[in-house]
Amino acid sequence: AQSVTQLDSHVSVSEGTPVLLRCNYSSSYSPSLFWYVQHPNKGLQLLLKYTSAATLVKGINGFEAEFKKSETSFHLTKPSAHMSDAAEYFCVVSPHRSGNTPLVFGKGTRLSVIA
Amino acid sequence: SAVISQKPSRDICQRGTSLTIQCQVDSQVTMMFWYRQQPGQSLTLIATANQGSEATYESGFVIDKFPISRPNLTFSTLTVSNMSPEDSSIYLCSPGGETEAFFGQGTRLTVV
Repeated sequence: AQSVTQLDSHVSVSEGTPVLLRCNYSSSYSPSLFWYVQHPNKGLQLLLKYTSAATLVKGINGFEAEFKKSETSFHLTKPSAHMSDAAEYFCVVSPHRSGNTPLVFGKGTRLSVIA
Repeated sequence: SAVISQKPSRDICQRGTSLTIQCQVDSQVTMMFWYRQQPGQSLTLIATANQGSEATYESGFVIDKFPISRPNLTFSTLTVSNMSPEDSSIYLCSPGGETEAFFGQGTRLTVV
C-alpha cells in the first residue's frame, strides 16, 4: 500500500530564513511524487513533480525537493521564506508513473511565516 | 498542462437536496478521479471513473450517495445526494494519465 507521512503538521519560520517541510513516503513501485500548495480559500497549485529524472527537482517560487530513495524521503526546501509562502503544503505520491492511479495525499503541513 | 473546468465553483444548498458537479477537461483522459477536502483536512479519494464502466468507490463512499457519470473521455459529473451539513466540503476532480496531478479549482459546497 502507498502512504505519505508529513512529519510536521505546522512549521513556523521567520521571513528570510530557510524553509524545510519534511515528507516520507511508502510505495511498492517506483512512484511519482508531488508537492502542492494551497493558500487560504484557494485551489491546489502544483509546486513541483518528481518522476524518474533528476533527483533534485526545482519548482516554482524558489522551492525545490530532493528525492532520496534510500531514505524514502521527498523533503521540500526553500532558501529564504517570503510572507507570501504562508499556506498549507501537501506531499503527494502517485504509485505508478502511468498516471492512471489516484494520488495519495499527506495530511498537510501549515507553514507560517513571521515578519 | 491540462485545463480543468469545474462547475459550479461554489454553492450553498439546503439539506436533503442534491447537487451535480461538472468536470470538463481539455483533452481526452482514461481515468477521472474525484476527491473531497473537508474543512481543514487533506484530500480524500471518493471514486475513480473510467469511461464506459461503473465508477470504483473507496471505502466509506457509496454510489447511492455519490453517483458519478462518465459519458465521454473529457467529461464527468459527481452528484452529492440527499445532502447534510457533513457534506460541506470542497470537491475536486483530477484527470489521470499524462495530465495527472492537475486539479480544477474545485467546488466549495456548503450545506445548510
